[in-house]
Parts: sequence; C-alpha cells; structure tokens
Amino acid sequence: QVQLVESGGGVVQPGRSLRLSCAASGFTFSTHALHWVRQAPGKGLEWLTVISADGTFKSYADSVKGRITISRDNSKNTLFLQLDTLKPEDTAVYYCARQLRFAEWFQDYWGQGTLVAVSS
Amino acid sequence: EIVLTQSPGTLSLSPGERATLSCRPSQSVRSSYLAWYQQKPGQAPRLLIYGASSRATGIPDRFSGSGSGTDFTLTISRLEPEDFAVYYCQQYGSSPPITFGQGTRLEIK
Repeated sequence: QVQLVESGGGVVQPGRSLRLSCAASGFTFSTHALHWVRQAPGKGLEWLTVISADGTFKSYADSVKGRITISRDNSKNTLFLQLDTLKPEDTAVYYCARQLRFAEWFQDYWGQGTLVAVSS
Repeated sequence: EIVLTQSPGTLSLSPGERATLSCRPSQSVRSSYLAWYQQKPGQAPRLLIYGASSRATGIPDRFSGSGSGTDFTLTISRLEPEDFAVYYCQQYGSSPPITFGQGTRLEIK
C-alpha cells in the first residue's frame, strides 16, 4: 500500500534552516509528482510547493518563495523540503502528499506529517 | 490567486441527517478542478472528491460533490458518527498555485 513517511521536524531557532524528508513506498515513485502542504496549529491547510515526477518542474507558493526548496531523489524514493531563514510563523505540521495524475494537481495520499516548531 | 470561501464555518447536525457544505471560489475554477478533503483531529487530510464530483477510491457513496465555476457543494446524504470532522475544499486549476478553503467543521449536535 502507498506509504509516505515524513521526518526531520523538531524545534529550531528563528533564522536557522531545516531539511525535511519524505520516504515513499508502495508505488512507482518516479511516475508521480509530489507536494508539500503545511498546517499551523489550529489552522487550515496551506499548499507550499510541488515537484514533477522527473524533478524538472517546481512551483512554490508566493508566501514562501525564496525561503524553501523542494527536491527529490528518485533512486532513493525520497522527497525533500529545505526550509531556510525560519520564522515563528513557519511553525506547523508539514505534510508530503502524492499527486494522483499528471497535470491534475490534487493529492490522493498524504503522510502523517512532521512538526516543525520555530522558537528561541 | 483564487480564494475559496467555505460556508458555514461550523455545521451542527445529528447522525442520520443530511449535510450540505459550500465552497465558493473568488473566480471561476477551470474544468471543475476542485477537490474535497476530510480531516480528523491528529490525522492527515483524506481525499474524498476530485474533479468536483468524482469520488476517490474507497469513499462511501453517501459522499457526493457537485457544482462548477464559482459554486461547489459537498453533500453527505446520511451522516455516520465517523463523518464528524473538518472538511476542506481545494482548487487546483490547470497549474499551481493551489489553494484551500478555510474549512468547515462538522460537529455532532
């Protein structure tokens, strides 16, 4: 079955960086685009970024553009999210999610999320 | 960026009743590229509906989606106890950016 497992979250000081990972299994990783979505405590869902199946296309939300970088390693079935210059408002659960179909940008499977807390 | 407005913010109903949730985009959503997700406390979102009206794999037929353009609806025909959760709509257009509504909380009356 499809599994997405995020890791790399934790408590980090403002201004520092963090790299999140998402290990995938149960499907052909290299044929699906992948997304990161976050959710601040008690708040709604915020889409952050997507990367195409082959890694050549990337798109970012304006709210985080310039501070985050998405990447993937198809040989290791792993998705990454680099978070730079972290701010307290970046505190959230970060989810990775699979896109079902090419050019239809919704997500059919989600990981359980990893919590990032930005605090001094 | 397309802004999605969901209503009501909170819906209080009893098991067995019908639930109707609304999602209104600030501009027309092309090709009905609209999805609905369910989220329970402490869990990841779960895809219910995509393409405005197509049920995702394993979703019971009491869940249905309808609408087009700037007016979309998620209907739960007969509420089961496990349906009480927060529901989000999402527009995914023909390309990013992707946006979510602010959510509707469905609570037991």
